[in-house]
Amino acid sequence: GEDVEQSLFLSVREGDSSVINCTYTDSSSTYLYWYKQEPGAGLQLLTYIFSNMDMKQDQRLTVLLNKKDKHLSLRIADTQTGDSAIYFCALGPPPGTYKYIFGTGTRLKVLA
Amino acid sequence: DVKVTQSSRYLVKRTGEKVFLECVQDMDHENMFWYRQDPGLGLRLIYFSYDVKMKEKGDIPEGYSVSREKKERFSLILESASTNQTSMYLCASSSPLGARGTGELFFGEGSRLTVL
Repeated sequence: GEDVEQSLFLSVREGDSSVINCTYTDSSSTYLYWYKQEPGAGLQLLTYIFSNMDMKQDQRLTVLLNKKDKHLSLRIADTQTGDSAIYFCALGPPPGTYKYIFGTGTRLKVLA
Repeated sequence: DVKVTQSSRYLVKRTGEKVFLECVQDMDHENMFWYRQDPGLGLRLIYFSYDVKMKEKGDIPEGYSVSREKKERFSLILESASTNQTSMYLCASSSPLGARGTGELFFGEGSRLTVL
């Protein structure tokens, strides 16, 4: 079945760049998403990328999509303490279905 | 501001009690979802609904039922709560993929349920 893998933890120093990686097995999604979850809260959409794009930049966020290797990454430039959270990558539902596939989440800790 | 509202942020129930978790969205979305989130397991889909009175089982429907009598409201029901249903429950809504958008999910703040 479909699978999405992420590393569980990442620790960076304030001001450095963070790179969160995601690998997946099913490539039929039209959109791929990155969500952020702060403690005790729901998930909030950070950004998304259309499946026929290789890169998308949105202020401090850069998303890279390597379809050949089935690899998605999120780079956060100039990481701040407020970026400390859990980050989930998610595959959107293939056309005609309703099933989103989420990774297990990467807990980012930003050290002051 | 668009919103998905879950009625209870924290609940404590006893084994065997019936539990209702309510979710309301104000975006006129067709699709609504219930997930549970457990450490190390990510999000697992319990049920989803693509229209009023329509529902489909997700990956872990056992022990749960749902109700969608109105487009904006999707309820999750635990008929007889058990300790292994202690979890964070997340409701989400979306429009279908296509001309109306990117299919992104909008989430509520979550309901943390503890079953004793």
